[in-house]
Amino acid sequence: DSGVTQTPKHLITATGQRVTLRCSPRSGDLSVYWYQQSLDQGLQFLIQYYNGEERAKGNILERFSAQQFPDLHSELNLSSLELGDSALYFCASSTYSGTHYEQYFGPGTRLTVT
Amino acid sequence: DQQVKQNSPSLSVQEGRISILNCDYTNSMFDYFLWYKKYPAEGPTFLISISSIKDKNEDGRFTVFLNKSAKHLSLHIVPSQPGDSAVYFCAASAAWTSGTYKYIFGTGTRLKVLA
Repeated sequence: DSGVTQTPKHLITATGQRVTLRCSPRSGDLSVYWYQQSLDQGLQFLIQYYNGEERAKGNILERFSAQQFPDLHSELNLSSLELGDSALYFCASSTYSGTHYEQYFGPGTRLTVT
Repeated sequence: DQQVKQNSPSLSVQEGRISILNCDYTNSMFDYFLWYKKYPAEGPTFLISISSIKDKNEDGRFTVFLNKSAKHLSLHIVPSQPGDSAVYFCAASAAWTSGTYKYIFGTGTRLKVLA
């Protein structure tokens, strides 16, 4: 158990809909990262928040947005869903190891768009 | 533009033998490299890492080697055990803006250790 929680585990929805994925980081971690893993693809970095503020943006579509709340949990909002958005979405929080930041991943949310 | 490449999608190894997983990168700005292991229905878990100032890091059965001139790293697992069967992701990190670090992941190699 990494200490990072994600809900829901599975989500099935139709094209054009909007969904919200939720992540709670490890206790004490201020950073939250969101990643997308499509079939046979690596983990694609989407966005990072640090203590409520957006820190870095990766290959995140304009239809997707995220935020981090004062209690440090984060939500990833996906709208106008397309079939190609079906993927595993992982959240990670990071902690400083003394030499670098190490990421701890949640179990993921599997999104299926039909 | 795949900056971190794992060219072998799968690998099968006999129990007790050595498993060697390879990873290539293109960006010379990467200064920290990590390996993650992922079981089905779970998130990736951190396995081992190496800084660019080193060429080898060992942790029990796991050793990571870094060849900066070739922009290549490898993970050695000796001896391989059936429980090592998983997908292994290589990741590279570089200091980015605002003191944060950007992580780029490879596509993963599925290791199967045969009993």
